[in-house]
Amino acid sequence: EVQLMESGGGLVKPGGSLRLSCAASGFSFRTYSMNWVRQAPGKGLEWVSSISSGGTYIHYADSVKGRFTISRDNARNSLFLHMRSLRVEDTAVYSCARGFDCDSDCYSVYGMDVWGQGTTVTVSS
Amino acid sequence: SYDLTQPPSVSVSPGQTARITCSGDALPKQHGYWYQQKPGQAPVLVISKDRERPSGIPERFSGSSSGATVTLTISAVQAEDEADYFCQSADSSGTYVVFGGGTKLTVL
Repeated sequence: EVQLMESGGGLVKPGGSLRLSCAASGFSFRTYSMNWVRQAPGKGLEWVSSISSGGTYIHYADSVKGRFTISRDNARNSLFLHMRSLRVEDTAVYSCARGFDCDSDCYSVYGMDVWGQGTTVTVSS
Repeated sequence: SYDLTQPPSVSVSPGQTARITCSGDALPKQHGYWYQQKPGQAPVLVISKDRERPSGIPERFSGSSSGATVTLTISAVQAEDEADYFCQSADSSGTYVVFGGGTKLTVL
C-alpha cells in the first residue's frame, strides 16, 4: 500500500525549532518529488516547500524562506522539514505529499496524488 | 505573490450539477489540479492536469480549462460530495506551488 506518515509535531515556543519527518512506503520514493503543505486551523491549504527526487531542486514559500529547510534521505525513504525561528502563525497541520515522478531528478509543479494524515505543530508561549 | 481565486461557497441540490471555478493569471500556461477534502481527512486529488481523472475517482467529476480559468464540474451531485474543494497550480515561472483559497460545497 502506498503510504506517507508524518511525525515530529508538537508544542513549541515562539522562536523555537522543530524537525518533521515523513516516512514513505509502498512506492519508489527515490523517483518522486515531494512536498510539504500546511493547513492552519479552519483555513485552507498552503504550500510550504518542494524538493526534487534527487534533492537538487528545492523551493520554498516566501512565508518560510530562510527559516525552514527541506531535505530527504532516499536510502531511508524519508522526507524532512527542519523548522527554525518558529512563529505563532506557523501553527498548522503539516502534511507531506507526493509530487512528480521523475527518475532524472527534474522538477515540475504537479498534482499531489498521495498525502499523509499530517502532524500538528503548535507555536505558542 | 500569485493568487488563485475561488468562490468561498457553492450550494446545489442532490442530482444537480455543481461547478467550481478557479481563476489565475498563469492558468493559460500552467495546469490546474483539484482536491477534495472532507473534515478531518487528507486532501484527495480528483482532477489532474486540468481534466484528467485519477484512478478511482468517480466519472461524475470532470475538469475543464478556458483561458485564465479552470473549472471543476460535479455532475449528479451526491450527499457524499459535500466537502471543501481546492484548486492548485503553479506560478508563471512554473516554480512555485499555489493553492486557491478553497470552496465549500454544500449539498442541500
